[in-house]
Amino acid sequence: SQTIHQWPATLVQPVGSPLSLECTVEGTSNPNLYWYRQAAGRGLQLLFYSVGIGQISSEVPQNLSASRPQDRQFILSSKKLLLSDSGFYLCAWRSPTILKETQYFGPGTRLLVL
Amino acid sequence: GQQVMQIPQYQHVQEGEDFTTYCNSSTTLSNIQWYKQRPGGHPVFLIQLVKSGEVKKQKRLTFQFGEAKKNSSLHITATQTTDVGTYFCADMDTGRRALTFGSGTRLQVQP
Repeated sequence: SQTIHQWPATLVQPVGSPLSLECTVEGTSNPNLYWYRQAAGRGLQLLFYSVGIGQISSEVPQNLSASRPQDRQFILSSKKLLLSDSGFYLCAWRSPTILKETQYFGPGTRLLVL
Repeated sequence: GQQVMQIPQYQHVQEGEDFTTYCNSSTTLSNIQWYKQRPGGHPVFLIQLVKSGEVKKQKRLTFQFGEAKKNSSLHITATQTTDVGTYFCADMDTGRRALTFGSGTRLQVQP
């Protein structure tokens, strides 16, 4: 069966510090991968998505970036965090099979920037 | 871009009462997915609706897709405390294969 992992689970970082959040998927090949951000009490905003290694599409211009160095690894990064980067970061995957639209979410990383 | 509006933002019900959340779009939805997010948790897929006028049931939950594919609803009959959480609708962007989420409806059930 497929599983998705995210770490760390929680993170407190000072403004201006770098960020690296990792997401890995097991039990599937060539998944579509996504990064979402959820502000407190709000909906989910798509940040990045990837359909393959090295292929990243950015949805929102900001100081975040994403990379996919391996088929089942998706990394969210920042060189300098802003206060507004605080939130709940969710990684998700879906099967590349076009008929399977369901997205499966990881447990998320809660980021607090102080 | 595609916008999906969801109402109400919040609803507080007594256990045993019914609950409905509505999802609307000004443009045609390709397909609608519903997710539930428990407090402190991550969204979990509930169901997908694809066909115009489609109705699906999962025990006490009834999901509907409008005839014009511009709206959808989730109805819970006789709510229980286990129904507490935020319910999101989401439309699949066929180009990006990514989801556009509604703002969610937070349900609180008073025992």
